[in-house]
Amino acid sequence: QVQLVQSGAEVKRPGASVKVSCKASGYSFTTYAISWVRQTPGQGLEWMGWMSAYNGDTNYAQRFQGRVTMTTDTSTSTAYLELRGLRSDDTAIYYCARELEFKDDYWGQGTLVTVSS
Amino acid sequence: QSALTQPPSASGSPGQSVTISCTGTSSDVGGYNYVSWYQQHPGKAPKLIIYEVSKRPSGVPDRFSGSKSGNTASLTVSGLQAEDEADYYCGSYAGINNLRVFGGGTKLTVL
Repeated sequence: QVQLVQSGAEVKRPGASVKVSCKASGYSFTTYAISWVRQTPGQGLEWMGWMSAYNGDTNYAQRFQGRVTMTTDTSTSTAYLELRGLRSDDTAIYYCARELEFKDDYWGQGTLVTVSS
Repeated sequence: QSALTQPPSASGSPGQSVTISCTGTSSDVGGYNYVSWYQQHPGKAPKLIIYEVSKRPSGVPDRFSGSKSGNTASLTVSGLQAEDEADYYCGSYAGINNLRVFGGGTKLTVL
């Protein structure tokens, strides 16, 4: 069965960076893309960007450009999200999702990133 | 501020039907047939329940249906059940630059 398993919770200081991993199993990793979506406490979903696991193409939401990098390691079927210059309002649950034709059909369990001094 | 507008709450009694709207623009909802709906229970990850406006993934009950008219998409839940109580989010393709946008979410309460 399709599974996306994310890395554990992180606590970071303002200005630091965080790297979240998302290990996929149960399907051909390079056939799909990976989306990253975050959810701030008690708020809605925010699309951060997308990366093709087939050819490495990326597309980042404008508000994160310059601060975010998405990568994949096809040898381990793992996707990564790195967010730099963390601020308190980056405190959120970060989700990875398998994406095909603009729909996210399987989601990871989420990774809580807390930014606090 | 979310790109797509949803009512913050909706409610209905068991067995009734409820419809949740999702309003965008001609650059997203109105311009493409790539509207999705997601169900999220507290403490859980979102789950895809509708894609491409009206298609249901395997395993999603046919009580869930989607439609679109102009710049507004809608999710209808028929025959409400207690387990349908959750947050519902719409999402849409928004073109090659913005790519994807979500609504602010609607909390569905089963009375």
